[in-house]
Parts: sequence; C-alpha cells; structure tokens
Amino acid sequence: NAGVTQTPKFRILKIGQSMTLQCAQDMNHNYMYWYRQDPGMGLKLIYYSVGAGITDKGEVPNGYNVSRSTTEDFPLRLELAAPSQTSVYFCASSDPTDSAGGYTFGSGTRLTVV
Amino acid sequence: AQSVAQPEDQVNVAEGNPLTVKCTYSVSGNPYLFWYVQYPNRGLQFLLKYITGDNLVKGSYGFEAEFNKSQTSFHLKKPSALVSDSALYFCAVRRRGILTGGGNKLTFGTGTQLKVEL
Repeated sequence: NAGVTQTPKFRILKIGQSMTLQCAQDMNHNYMYWYRQDPGMGLKLIYYSVGAGITDKGEVPNGYNVSRSTTEDFPLRLELAAPSQTSVYFCASSDPTDSAGGYTFGSGTRLTVV
Repeated sequence: AQSVAQPEDQVNVAEGNPLTVKCTYSVSGNPYLFWYVQYPNRGLQFLLKYITGDNLVKGSYGFEAEFNKSQTSFHLKKPSALVSDSALYFCAVRRRGILTGGGNKLTFGTGTQLKVEL
C-alpha cells in the first residue's frame, strides 16, 4: 500500500517555464489537497478536490491550476513559474466517510525557481 | 473561519526532560484537533487527534495532548524527551462534522521546531 505518491522529489525551473507536479493515491480517497510549505508560514492550501471532476480554490491559488480526471490522480500545474513559487509542495488525501479523519501526506516536491 | 496559533517557533529541551509544544485554535463549533510531525526532508506524519471524550489523548512515540475547551488549547506533551524527537511539529484544526462540499479541510499552524539536546 503506497499511500500518496508525489513526483518529482526535486525540480529546478527557470522563470517562465511550466511544469506539472504529480500526485497519486491508492486508498480510494475522494478528498485530495495541495499545500505549499514555506519557512515560518506553515502549510497553505492551494487547491483541493472532493472528487473526480470537482476542484476548488484554497487560500493561495494564484499561479496554479489543477485537474481531477480520476479518483487516484490530482496533478498541480504551474504555467509561468515565478521565484515566489519556490517552495515545498505537499499533496494529501483524506477519506470523506471518516468525518474525524486526518490526512495522509505524500513526501513532498521541493521546487526552486531561478 | 478556523485558525491555529503555535506561539513558539522553536522549543529547546534536554533529553530526559518533559516537553510541551503549545497550540491554540479558533473554530466555529466543536473542533477536531490534530498533531503532525515532520522529520527533515520528509512529509508530515500523523501523531494523534482529538475527536471527543477524554481530554487527554495518547498518540504515537509516547506523545500525548491535552484538550482544554475553555482555553481553546491542544498542547502536545511528552514526559521524557528523546534526541530522536527533534523535528518540526504542526497542530491542525477542523470543525467537527461533515461539511458538504467543504472537503474536510484542515487549517495548520506555522509549526514549532523541537530541538532535544543531550
């Protein structure tokens, strides 16, 4: 049981480039989330999804896009990378049938924009 | 709206001494409260959660947390710290109950770096 898998683990982008951060879970969780982690700022929610075909903005969605075509996958896309997007990105999932449930996190993607 | 405050950026404690990492929260209604731990270059791992009932919650690795409704706090504690406990700790909150379309989103604090020294 792999849980939540994120790829790549590390990436360096040049300003203006685009990329997709991949996230996949094998727990059949309908709820999935993308957070970014910046020093001293904790985790900020970028986007979340409550099921295939349904996504919604979190606190800091600007500069990002998401899609959810299947229950398993929830990719995060950066269209025009900016230095402000240098961060560690975490994907997480949760089971909506467990109202007291927490999250299962992936191991993160460390992104540097130069 | 919901929020979490972790007032200490860093906590230093000697190995063998008790440790406390503080957390206060704000949420409408009753809360679900969580503690997660992050080791260097790793994702967040679940430690423990408060749902309802006993105010003292026991979790992994000998950690426990005490829910105090009147003070809206959920402090993380351990009777005897180990060097291996050194990590970044996050408190998180969510309103109790199933919120249709809400996605059961957690709000996290800014994290507290715990350093346990010999």
